[in-house]
Amino acid sequence: KNEVEQSPQNLTAQEGEFITINCSYSVGISALHWLQQHPGGGIVSLFMLSSGKKKHGRLIATINIQEKHSSLHITASHPRDSAVYICAVRRGYYTGNQFYFGTGTSLTVIP
Amino acid sequence: GAGVSQSPSNKVTEKGKDVELRCDPISGHTALYWYRQSLGQGLEFLIYFQGNSAPDKSGLPSDRFSAERTGGSVSTLTIQRTQQEDSAVYLCASSPGRGGREQYFGPGTRLTVT
Repeated sequence: KNEVEQSPQNLTAQEGEFITINCSYSVGISALHWLQQHPGGGIVSLFMLSSGKKKHGRLIATINIQEKHSSLHITASHPRDSAVYICAVRRGYYTGNQFYFGTGTSLTVIP
Repeated sequence: GAGVSQSPSNKVTEKGKDVELRCDPISGHTALYWYRQSLGQGLEFLIYFQGNSAPDKSGLPSDRFSAERTGGSVSTLTIQRTQQEDSAVYLCASSPGRGGREQYFGPGTRLTVT
């Protein structure tokens, strides 16, 4: 079983739709990251969370530490949001420095 | 300022040869990570450097893989006696502080072992 599970694996949406990508993890963590990988491979860090909620433009990320679950929301989706979204968790400082990654959610936003 | 840079961007090598991949992190970033992304696979942690501390090598897949970081800045990932299964994109990321903060990724080196 993977330490980090994402759903859905693939997602197609119409432009303007509200999108939710989910991430569940099974290990104790110090932080959770949401990453965006565009076709061509470049990776951009979107959010780092250890609690609560963060918002950046049309993107919102939430985390529930007790339930070991995080969600990434995209409001008013646009074709340029088409990318692979990856959830990554970092173990606690005293339990190692490893990051564990989900396999990603491939999002396609259709005009 | 400049972001994380990696070189070469592409490397094709014959099975059995050694390769060196280079990462130049953002100036002042003390944390540096190497990751691997195989075709169709997710990201895989390889090694973590933090300042002058001993690196966390727990993600290295075999003893053919090694990495060093000179002067707390540039890092080199070396793969000895390359195998076809080593073909992947090797990504470097740097972060200020102890690596729990936001990571800045380089463009990656695409390694193909023939």
